[in-house]
Amino acid sequence: QVQLVESGGGVVQPGGSLRLSCAASGFTFTTYGMHWVRQAPGKGLEWVAFIRYDGANKYYADSVKGRFTISRDNSKSTLYLQMNSLRAEDTAVYYCAKGSGSYYKYFFDYWGQGTLVTVSS
Amino acid sequence: EIVLTQSPGTLSLSPGERATLSCRASQSVDSSYLAWYQQKPGQAPRLLIYGTSSRATGIPDRFSGSGSGTDFTLTISRLEPEDFAVYYCQQYGSSPLTFGGGTKVEIK
Repeated sequence: QVQLVESGGGVVQPGGSLRLSCAASGFTFTTYGMHWVRQAPGKGLEWVAFIRYDGANKYYADSVKGRFTISRDNSKSTLYLQMNSLRAEDTAVYYCAKGSGSYYKYFFDYWGQGTLVTVSS
Repeated sequence: EIVLTQSPGTLSLSPGERATLSCRASQSVDSSYLAWYQQKPGQAPRLLIYGTSSRATGIPDRFSGSGSGTDFTLTISRLEPEDFAVYYCQQYGSSPLTFGGGTKVEIK
């Protein structure tokens, strides 16, 4: 069965950096686009970033553009999110989500359990 | 950016009752690329409906989706105890992908 397991969350000071990972299994990772979606405490869902199945295209929410970088290692079936210049408003649970297709405009058919990122001094 | 507005914010109902959740888009959603997710406390969201009206694998038929253009509806025909949760709509036809603010279905 499909499994997505995030790791790398924690507490970081404003201006700091963090790298999240998402280990995928149970499907052909090289075939599907992957996303990061976040949820601030007590708030709704916010799409963060997307990477195409082959890594050739990447898209970002305006709120993270220029600070976050999404990447993937298809040989390891792993998705990453490098987060730099972190702000208090980046505090959230970060979910890895599998796209239902190879490209950008697909729904999310599987989600990981999330990893909490707290930006605080 | 397409803004999705969900209503009501909270729906208080009893088990066995019918739930009707609304999702209104600020502009037409391409090709009915509208999905619904369910989220319970402390859990990740789960896909319920995609393409406006197609149920995801394993989703019971008491869940149904309808609509087009800018107005979409999720209906739960008879609420079961496990259906009390927060529901989000999401459009995936335009960039950026966006979610509604959610509707909480709580036990009355």
